[in-house]
Amino acid sequence: NAGVTQTPKFRVLKTGQSMTLLCAQDMNHEYMYWYRQDPGMGLRLIHYSVGEGTTAKGEVPDGYNVSRLKKQNFLLGLESAAPSQTSVYFCASSYGGRRELSNNEQFFGPGTRLTVL
Amino acid sequence: SQQGEEDPQALSIQEGENATMNCSYKTSINNLQWYRQNSGRGLVHLILIRSNEREKHSGRLRVTLDTSKKSSSLLITASRAADTASYFCATVSWGKFQFGAGTQVVVTP
Repeated sequence: NAGVTQTPKFRVLKTGQSMTLLCAQDMNHEYMYWYRQDPGMGLRLIHYSVGEGTTAKGEVPDGYNVSRLKKQNFLLGLESAAPSQTSVYFCASSYGGRRELSNNEQFFGPGTRLTVL
Repeated sequence: SQQGEEDPQALSIQEGENATMNCSYKTSINNLQWYRQNSGRGLVHLILIRSNEREKHSGRLRVTLDTSKKSSSLLITASRAADTASYFCATVSWGKFQFGAGTQVVVTP
């Protein structure tokens, strides 16, 4: 099993450009998450999904969009990148399913380091 | 806002010593989890302690939870250079995860 994979690993954008980050998991997990990690801030939840075709806003959703067309994939889009979106982005997944299983551990991808100039 | 807050922010110890870090939180939880992050990598789950548990062990890790004080501690015994990493607590409440800012641990040989 590859677990959770993210592409690309690194990316440099100019202000106003757009891009999509791809997250894939092969563990048949229901729940998927996108976080950003900034120095001294820990992880902050951007968007999440509790199943194929569903998405929901997290703590810092502005400037990002997501889609979950297939259970194994969760895409994070930046329509018009801004320097404030310079960060390391992590995707995670968890088993989910029944509500009581939504508290299970999360499995993280290796991250995407994004710089917006 | 962050639910879990770790203390200290940074910790430097020598191999063989124990490392202790704490996590405080504000609202009720279903469980609390600890994760490790090596430099440039994703987070890796270490241990989960449920709200009705007080102590849990896994190898050289010992986690305690005091729900009355809304705090948890992670103890790494007999530390090794490979334990050098950042450690995060995550409070979990009905599927909602909130991570703290982490404790950076450096273990020198």
